[in-house]
Amino acid sequence: NAGVTQTPKFRVLKTGQSMTLLCAQDMNHEYMYWYRQDPGMGLRLIHYSVGEGTTAKGEVPDGYNVSRLKKQNFLLGLESAAPSQTSVYFCASSPGQSHEQYFGPGTRLTVT
Amino acid sequence: AQSVAQPEDQVNVAEGNPLTVKCTYSVSGNPYLFWYVQYPNRGLQFLLKYITGDNLVKGSYGFEAEFNKSQTSFHLKKPSALVSDSALYFCAVREAGTALIFGKGTTLSVSS
Repeated sequence: NAGVTQTPKFRVLKTGQSMTLLCAQDMNHEYMYWYRQDPGMGLRLIHYSVGEGTTAKGEVPDGYNVSRLKKQNFLLGLESAAPSQTSVYFCASSPGQSHEQYFGPGTRLTVT
Repeated sequence: AQSVAQPEDQVNVAEGNPLTVKCTYSVSGNPYLFWYVQYPNRGLQFLLKYITGDNLVKGSYGFEAEFNKSQTSFHLKKPSALVSDSALYFCAVREAGTALIFGKGTTLSVSS
């Protein structure tokens, strides 16, 4: 099993550009999450999904959109990137809410 | 609203000595508590969790944590630290029907 994979690993964007981050999991998990990690701030939840076709807002959803068209994939979109979105983005999945989450290796995004 | 605090940004300990990484939480109901570890340039890895049952929880790599309801704490402990334990440690909490909230993280440095 590959577990949770994220594409790409690194990306540099100019302000105003758009991009999509892809998360894939092969564990048949119902729940998937997108977090951002910034120095001294821990992980903050952007959006999450409790099953195929569902999405919900987390703590810091502004400027991001998500889609869960297939159970194994969770996409995070930035429509118009801003320097404040420079961060490391982690995807995670879990079988249920009370279960531990399995994390991907992260995507380091820089917006100039 | 639920919250979690890790009062120490950094913990330094000598190899072979016991280590403690502190975590306190605030929830209105029964807590689900987790510890994760992050090595440099990697995603988070699950260490252990408390959902219900025994207050002392044993996890991966010889780590354990004690749930103390009266002190609303869930400190991570290990009897004998290894240099390879040096990493960033995150405590996380949720209550039923809510998303997981992560602490800001504690850097553990184990010297030889």
